[in-house]
Amino acid sequence: NAGVTQTPKFQVLKTGQSMTLQCAQDMNHNSMYWYRQDPGMGLRLIYYSASEGTTDKGEVPNGYNVSRLNKREFSLRLESAAPSQTSVYFCASSDPRRGMGLNEQFFGPGTRLTVL
Amino acid sequence: QKEVEQNSGPLSVPEGAIASLNCTYSDRVSQSFFWYRQYSGKSPELIMSIYSNGDKEDGRFTAQLNKASQYVSLLIRDSQPSDSATYLCAVNTASYDKVIFGPGTSLSVIP
Repeated sequence: NAGVTQTPKFQVLKTGQSMTLQCAQDMNHNSMYWYRQDPGMGLRLIYYSASEGTTDKGEVPNGYNVSRLNKREFSLRLESAAPSQTSVYFCASSDPRRGMGLNEQFFGPGTRLTVL
Repeated sequence: QKEVEQNSGPLSVPEGAIASLNCTYSDRVSQSFFWYRQYSGKSPELIMSIYSNGDKEDGRFTAQLNKASQYVSLLIRDSQPSDSATYLCAVNTASYDKVIFGPGTSLSVIP
């Protein structure tokens, strides 16, 4: 099993350009997440999808859109990139066990994005 | 008040010592708590989860939870240089669909 995969690994954009970050998981998880990680800020949730067909905003959704294409795939789109979106982006998946309150998340390798 | 707080460190311990990492959280309804390890330039990796008060041991790692004090800790016994990493504390939200991450504590184990 590959776990959670992300493409691309690195990307450099100019201000105003658009791009889509791809994420796929092969663990049959229901929930998927997009985070950004900046120095000193920890992981901040951008968007998440609790199940196929649903998406919800996280802590920092402005400037991003998402698509839960199917149970395996969850993409993140930057429509008009800004320097403030320079960050490391992580995708994660989980299968929350609501009765036990558990939500163990498994992360992809990340995408390092620079916006000039 | 931030929802999940950790000392940013860096925390330095000699090889073979016990490293103690601490985390406090603000939401009293939180039920599940997680510790992730993140090596520089890598993605977070789950190392422990705990949801009952008390201690949970897994090899050299022990997670401790005190819900009354809203406090969770991670002890690493016999610390090794390979334990040098940033440790992230995470707490589930009431919806169970999300977790909130702390800023992380950087640990350096000195040979």
